[in-house]
Amino acid sequence: DTEVTQTPKHLVMGMTNKKSLKCEQHMGHRAMYWYKQKAKKPPELMFVYSYEKLSINESVPSRFSPECPNSSLLNLHLHALQPEDSALYLCASSRGEVRSGETQYFGPGTRLLVL
Amino acid sequence: AQSVAQPEDQVNVAEGNPLTVKCTYSVSGNPYLFWYVQYPNRGLQFLLKYITGDNLVKGSYGFEAEFNKSQTSFHLKKPSALVSDSALYFCAVRGLSGGYNKLIFGAGTRLAVHP
Repeated sequence: DTEVTQTPKHLVMGMTNKKSLKCEQHMGHRAMYWYKQKAKKPPELMFVYSYEKLSINESVPSRFSPECPNSSLLNLHLHALQPEDSALYLCASSRGEVRSGETQYFGPGTRLLVL
Repeated sequence: AQSVAQPEDQVNVAEGNPLTVKCTYSVSGNPYLFWYVQYPNRGLQFLLKYITGDNLVKGSYGFEAEFNKSQTSFHLKKPSALVSDSALYFCAVRGLSGGYNKLIFGAGTRLAVHP
């Protein structure tokens, strides 16, 4: 089973709202990732958690706040977003870190629209 | 700089014909190479990867890729294309950026298989 689930599938929010994206995997993977993907573009890495600790923050604005409550769950808290933040947000997980060549498995994504 | 190039924005193939989606890379050290496919409004699905060993890698859905070190290429191939193969394909390489390893994605190639 290589399934990563994400909720919600779609999200519309105003610029003053606070919302959260959720990601879950039950493959025992110890690395989890958030990516942002604009239409017809490749995914852009935002954050990496390794063994539940934040290991990489790709200079993401503070209006995006990641959280890893346990080894199976990854959240992305959103606050005061801008319309340009509208995108597909992808979660991924892997058994180990990128440096070891482990495969990243992606969830279906949350399509976010900021009005 | 470490990078991945997918020189074709779009590849058009007739159903039943062989297909090739091109990828070239530039990294220091041994390359770890990946192919992913993305269907509309979906996440990325892993197809195959090259870490070491045989230069011809077989993956999901009848796809294969050939690693060519001298040409720094990792082209994706399939002997007989299906209409259902129509999707966006991303090549990725493990690269060093900002002092840490991450997946570096190509811009993507849209594959259109015509009946």
